[in-house]
Amino acid sequence: AQTVTQSQPEMSVQEAETVTLSCTYDTSESDYYLFWYKQPPSRQMILVIRQEAYKQQNATENRFSVNFQKAAKSFSLKISDSQLGDAAMYFCAYIGMDSNYQLIWGAGTKLIIKP
Amino acid sequence: EAQVTQNPRYLITVTGKKLTVTCSQNMNHEYMSWYRQDPGLGLRQIYYSMNVEVTDKGDVPEGYKVSRKEKRNFPLILESPSPNQTSLYFCASREDPGTQYFGPGTRLLVL
Repeated sequence: AQTVTQSQPEMSVQEAETVTLSCTYDTSESDYYLFWYKQPPSRQMILVIRQEAYKQQNATENRFSVNFQKAAKSFSLKISDSQLGDAAMYFCAYIGMDSNYQLIWGAGTKLIIKP
Repeated sequence: EAQVTQNPRYLITVTGKKLTVTCSQNMNHEYMSWYRQDPGLGLRQIYYSMNVEVTDKGDVPEGYKVSRKEKRNFPLILESPSPNQTSLYFCASREDPGTQYFGPGTRLLVL
């Protein structure tokens, strides 16, 4: 079965520093999508960034970027210049034909920002 | 503004009293789904719909019903709620198979 693993239940970073959240996944497919979602204390689910597996270039959205290693099945999220508003749960998710195009979610990483 | 709306946002009810949580999207998405989120268990899919009149069970469908009579609406029905259905519920829609957009969530407490 497809799985998405986030091995860090909790991470903390000093404000203005850089932090990387890890995500690995299991699939036999070559074409799929990967996502990072953020869930702040308001509990709203917010898309942070997405990556199409066929694209070799790593996705970037302002201070957020990914390191997509297709062969290693790794999809880490880097947050640069961390801000207090980045404090949230971060979920990694996968979707592909082998998941019947249903999102497979990681367990989440709680990110704490220290002022 | 593109959005997914859910109502009510908060609901306290008693065991056995039927309730419906509405979900509506204005993005003309064919795909919609319902999730519940519980501490330590992450997001679990309840039901999903690939299009009008097409629905299918997710990972935790027991105790829930859905219908998809129109593309924009996908209500979640609890015919006889029980305390173990106390949870945070999310409706979502997406362009297939792309980015999923979530509603604001519905906090349900069943006494």
